[in-house]
Amino acid sequence: GAGVSQSPRYKVAKRGQDVALRCDPISGHVSLFWYQQALGQGPEFLTYFQNEAQLDKSGLPSDRFFAERPEGSVSTLKIQRTQQEDSAVYLCASSPSLGNTIYFGEGSWLTVV
Amino acid sequence: DQQVKQNSPSLSVQEGRISILNCDYTNSMFDYFLWYKKYPAEGPTFLISISSIKDKNEDGRFTVFLNKSAKHLSLHIVPSQPGDSAVYFCAASSLLTGANSKLTFGKGITLSVRP
Repeated sequence: GAGVSQSPRYKVAKRGQDVALRCDPISGHVSLFWYQQALGQGPEFLTYFQNEAQLDKSGLPSDRFFAERPEGSVSTLKIQRTQQEDSAVYLCASSPSLGNTIYFGEGSWLTVV
Repeated sequence: DQQVKQNSPSLSVQEGRISILNCDYTNSMFDYFLWYKKYPAEGPTFLISISSIKDKNEDGRFTVFLNKSAKHLSLHIVPSQPGDSAVYFCAASSLLTGANSKLTFGKGITLSVRP
């Protein structure tokens, strides 16, 4: 497809389980972002990549959260030992380069039970 | 400590009338502002933006106004259409770090346009 693709769309995890969320940005987009959106809140910045370089990870809430983009294209957000407060929609976005319009994917809905 | 505030959670307007969505910010470093629209089960889509060197930006039915001294911006939709019914997010960033590098979002306003 032409847009940002995220998988899985929906994930139910038991507390303590590890999860991995995948993002396929728009082809050729250099910049990639992860945001977390809790229920009733706006998206909150987690981390940002320029190609394979993670330039800002100041929004990652704890060391249980890890993101990578090893080849400068697909990115994975990994959450270890999930907790109930991790329940949220995880939005991936990409842009042609820094400063251009950001295009969001549909999000991965994570529910931790 | 919310740096971008959308104090009204919802707004209902009649089709054909004007919708005015408000947003306030507290961080003086913000100098670039955006509005995103979000339908259920979809990601946010970019609507319109404005930098602090301007006080107004217009794109079709959508106009954003910026009042820097009041740290306030508003989105006007004229005329409103039923298809505009969605959640609208105000977002802000600093051009120093790249206009779209790290956005700070408000909580959103749910707009309902009645036919």
